[in-house]
Amino acid sequence: GAGVSQSPRYKVAKRGQDVALRCDPISGHVSLFWYQQALGQGPEFLTYFQNEAQLDKSGLPSDRFFAERPEGSVSTLKIQRTQQEDSAVYLCASSFPPLLAGEAFFGQGTRLTVV
Amino acid sequence: KQEVTQIPAALSVPEGENLVLNCSFTDSAIYNLQWFRQDPGKGLTSLLLIQSSQREQTSGRLNASLDKSSGRSTLYIAASQPGDSATYLCAVRVSNAGKSTFGDGTTLTVKP
Repeated sequence: GAGVSQSPRYKVAKRGQDVALRCDPISGHVSLFWYQQALGQGPEFLTYFQNEAQLDKSGLPSDRFFAERPEGSVSTLKIQRTQQEDSAVYLCASSFPPLLAGEAFFGQGTRLTVV
Repeated sequence: KQEVTQIPAALSVPEGENLVLNCSFTDSAIYNLQWFRQDPGKGLTSLLLIQSSQREQTSGRLNASLDKSSGRSTLYIAASQPGDSATYLCAVRVSNAGKSTFGDGTTLTVKP
């Protein structure tokens, strides 16, 4: 497809369960970002990849969060031993600096609910 | 640390009214500023992108301005319509390849 695709759209996990969220960026986009959005708030940065290299993971809230992009395309955000405070919408964005002047394109997000 | 504030948090206007949404940021050394629209339960749709060297961008009924020295941006919506009802988010980016810092958004309701 032409846009950023995320799956699943919705995920319900029992507390303590591991989850994996997938992001397919726009083809050819070098940069990929993960954000976490709590209800009623703006997205908060989690981590950033340039191709397969994870250049910034300063936003990951704990060592239970892990992200990878092994071939520089699809990315997976993994959350181990989920807690209720992990409930949020997880958004993925991609961009292709500098030709598009750094414009970021977002996916529809994955809504994670931990029960 | 860059902080982004959007005021007001919510706004309700009658159809046809012109309105302005505000975004302020604490660090003026930005690369670009982007305005997004978010509908309930959906992702973010890019509306306008302003580079740090630009003063404004226009798309249809939307006009965004940027004043780096004062750390402010405004999104002007002309002749508002019920379909404009959504949450509007601004995001600032400090480098070409870096993360964006978002405000918490302004939720707009346009009443028919």
